[in-house]
Amino acid sequence: AQKITQTQPGMFVQEKEAVTLDCTYDTSDPSYGLFWYKQPSSGEMIFLIYQGSYDQQNATEGRYSLNFQKARKSANLVISASQLGDSAMYFCAMRESRRAQKLVFGQGTRLTINP
Amino acid sequence: KAGVTQTPRYLIKTRGQQVTLSCSPISGHRSVSWYQQTPGQGLQFLFEYFSETQRNKGNFPGRFSGRQFSNSRSEMNVSTLELGDSALYLCASSFRDSPGDYGYTFGSGTRLTVV
Repeated sequence: AQKITQTQPGMFVQEKEAVTLDCTYDTSDPSYGLFWYKQPSSGEMIFLIYQGSYDQQNATEGRYSLNFQKARKSANLVISASQLGDSAMYFCAMRESRRAQKLVFGQGTRLTINP
Repeated sequence: KAGVTQTPRYLIKTRGQQVTLSCSPISGHRSVSWYQQTPGQGLQFLFEYFSETQRNKGNFPGRFSGRQFSNSRSEMNVSTLELGDSALYLCASSFRDSPGDYGYTFGSGTRLTVV
């Protein structure tokens, strides 16, 4: 069965520093997609970045990049130059295949940016 | 472009009652998925609808049901409410065959409290 593990329940970072949020996954399907979402206190899940299992390059989206290490089944999110508005819960999620449209989520990491 | 709209935002119900939540997807998105988020269990997939048909279902009791209309709007219903059904219910919409680079767009959720 597919599984997402986020081992950092909480992280505290100084403003303007870079931060890496860890995510490891487990699946037996060769075709899968990995997502990162941000959830502020308002509750809405905001899509940040996507990495497909066959993508050769690491995904990047503005200040967000995904450090994809397929052999290690790792998909860490890197946020460069953190801002106070980055304080939120961050979830790593996986869609196992195109047939299965469900996302499996990790437990999340609460990121707090200190001024 | 309008986002995913979930109504109502907040709901308080009594044990034993039933409740119906609504989700209007982004225009053009025909896939709608529902998730339950609780502090204890995290984010769990409920079901996915595409073209008015349920395509996938999570591991929830039969008290949880849903449907999708021809305009892609979806409703989920929970009958005989239990205290444990208190949660944030999130709806997500996508282009079913290519959500990858665009992710699944979530609504702001309906926060259900059962008393």
